[in-house]
Amino acid sequence: NAGVTQTPKFRVLKTGQSMTLLCAQDMNHEYMYWYRQDPGMGLRLIHYSVGEGTTAKGEVPDGYNVSRLKKQNFLLGLESAAPSQTSVYFCATYRLGLSGYPDTQYFGPGTRLTVL
Amino acid sequence: QQQVKQSPQSLIVQKGGISIINCAYENTAFDYFPWYQQFPGKGPALLIAIRPDVSEKKEGRFTISFNKSAKQFSLHIMDSQPGDSATYFCAASSGANSKLTFGKGITLSVRP
Repeated sequence: NAGVTQTPKFRVLKTGQSMTLLCAQDMNHEYMYWYRQDPGMGLRLIHYSVGEGTTAKGEVPDGYNVSRLKKQNFLLGLESAAPSQTSVYFCATYRLGLSGYPDTQYFGPGTRLTVL
Repeated sequence: QQQVKQSPQSLIVQKGGISIINCAYENTAFDYFPWYQQFPGKGPALLIAIRPDVSEKKEGRFTISFNKSAKQFSLHIMDSQPGDSATYFCAASSGANSKLTFGKGITLSVRP
């Protein structure tokens, strides 16, 4: 998980509360992603960004918003948390090689979120 | 519809044996196929990846075999060690945005 940090590591929310998860990287990677991991479901893409100031929806974007105001930071927001958003959230960063495919990838250590 | 399917769901292998994990995909537009290793409480880590222009790629004890016509790829771990015990995910993506679609993961246990 070198170079990718996630804040916080753990959080418990009540239904309806809001929070922001922060992903920070120091590798100057253009591409950043937010995934959620649920038991038996693998990882599912929530939102992603291909550069500063850009964001796009992934597979499961509903209930989440993101922002990439600075290249090194990618924020994931939950405006009104629901129990269905209880999950482990991972941030990932990629650098594309000359081939156009990722040649360097890092995942953060994860944020474990529980919504009561 | 699950676009990337892994099998088996779990695997137990003796130390020194070969671990084989399979993955099948639906979308013929996929052009990048990585495998990830995840230990409990940690984020996934890229193990090895392959593109459709080659049928096999080897890095140390890890080998990916790719069968484009069958839309399948597999991970082989040679000389499996207890330290290889982890959850393994296959994934696939297409295009420059590299949006990965993951399989559900399998738990590998290597017994001493």
